[in-house]
Amino acid sequence: GAVVSQHPSRVICKSGTSVKIECRSLDFQATTMFWYRQFPKQSLMLMATSNEGSKATYEQGVEKDKFLINHASLTLSTLTVTSAHPEDSSFYICSAILTTSGKETQYFGPGTRLLVL
Amino acid sequence: GQQLNQSPQSMFIQEGEDVSMNCTSSSIFNTWLWYKQEPGEGPVLLIALYKAGELTSNGRLTAQFGITRKDSFLNISASIPSDVGIYFCAGGSNYKLTFGKGTLLTVNP
Repeated sequence: GAVVSQHPSRVICKSGTSVKIECRSLDFQATTMFWYRQFPKQSLMLMATSNEGSKATYEQGVEKDKFLINHASLTLSTLTVTSAHPEDSSFYICSAILTTSGKETQYFGPGTRLLVL
Repeated sequence: GQQLNQSPQSMFIQEGEDVSMNCTSSSIFNTWLWYKQEPGEGPVLLIALYKAGELTSNGRLTAQFGITRKDSFLNISASIPSDVGIYFCAGGSNYKLTFGKGTLLTVNP
């Protein structure tokens, strides 16, 4: 399967600071990547769709000014949590679409654990 | 929005037993995927289904894309302790995935 990496794997920051999380597709190019958030013992919730070369599309209820997404290249998307607060503490997971023989499949990164103190 | 009902929520089984879990939806999906997630990790793709009626196997795992395109099941045969984890179904439409709430599988040796 395809490989998607995330960096950092975990981060602790102070309230009010900004945190950047990187998502890379390692062995394929991805024009579309996704950012999810997962709270303990819950399912994955889609936050936004990251499109290479254009603005991200945010799901309802997700603040675009708080969660800045930049899809700078075909292998890299970044999520910046601005002015982080304790309620932003969560597990953030990205995914990338690999298209093979006309079939699209989402592969996920290993996740980034964010703790805001 | 679209919602998936995944059942059961949790299962406690003995090693060697077969397992079955399923997802249903009120909406039609173009793809169904099954992922496994272990603590502190991202979901790992197990099986991807792209056509209504499709039945696909991956080792001891078998999954089917329902004919109505509103449901899918995953079977695990002859379970082993390393099968423990949370299994998620996901319905795909227009590139986006909607996830079920997961099935927590515990396998007793």
